Amino acid sequence: DTAVSQTPKYLVTQMGNDKSIKCEQNLGHDTMYWYKQDSKKFLKIMFSYNNKELIINETVPNRFSPKSPDKAHLNLHINSLELGDSAVYFCASSQVPTGEQYFGPGTRLTVT
Amino acid sequence: SQELEQSPQSLIVQEGKNLTINCTSSKTLYGLYWYKQKYGEGLIFLMMLQKGGEEKSHEKITAKLDEKKQQSSLHITASQPSHAGIYLCGATRYSGGSNYKLTFGKGTLLTVNP
Repeated sequence: DTAVSQTPKYLVTQMGNDKSIKCEQNLGHDTMYWYKQDSKKFLKIMFSYNNKELIINETVPNRFSPKSPDKAHLNLHINSLELGDSAVYFCASSQVPTGEQYFGPGTRLTVT
Repeated sequence: SQELEQSPQSLIVQEGKNLTINCTSSKTLYGLYWYKQKYGEGLIFLMMLQKGGEEKSHEKITAKLDEKKQQSSLHITASQPSHAGIYLCGATRYSGGSNYKLTFGKGTLLTVNP
């Protein structure tokens, strides 16, 4: 069974479009995260939710909006996509905010 | 400025050789994590260290956290091609209220030649 899953795995779209990435975890964890890994492989946190409540919101354009319908899901919606949004986006979860995090396989977003 | 510095940035070793990767912070860490990432895949949790002087081992990988909780090293004994990948250290910092933030170093790319 996949612990943290993301869909889609690959996403190619044009500038200006709106897209969503879905994340689901079946570990029963309370905390979920979104990370962005850029072309230089630097991994940076974007958002964190604990029990469906936003607890970390880094300096990210407000075109990015996370949504947590329940503790097992954290989706990322991106409006008006730009070339610079091209990256790999990882979802992760942990039992508590200080616990080890389990990562999904990533979604490679390419904006043309 | 980068909160976590990893060294070296890349490392090429011959199979069977030992190697060490370092992770340094200018601030005291609440927790230090080591992850491994293979190309095109997600991160795999290796170890978490929280106490000063703590040392943990898993198979041929040993990680240590210094007494001041500002530096960690990851040591691989008798490296194998399966150890190849990007090793990332991550540190938890308290960010107010009940919030903690995990930040990562830039990673060390390890290549193991057979």
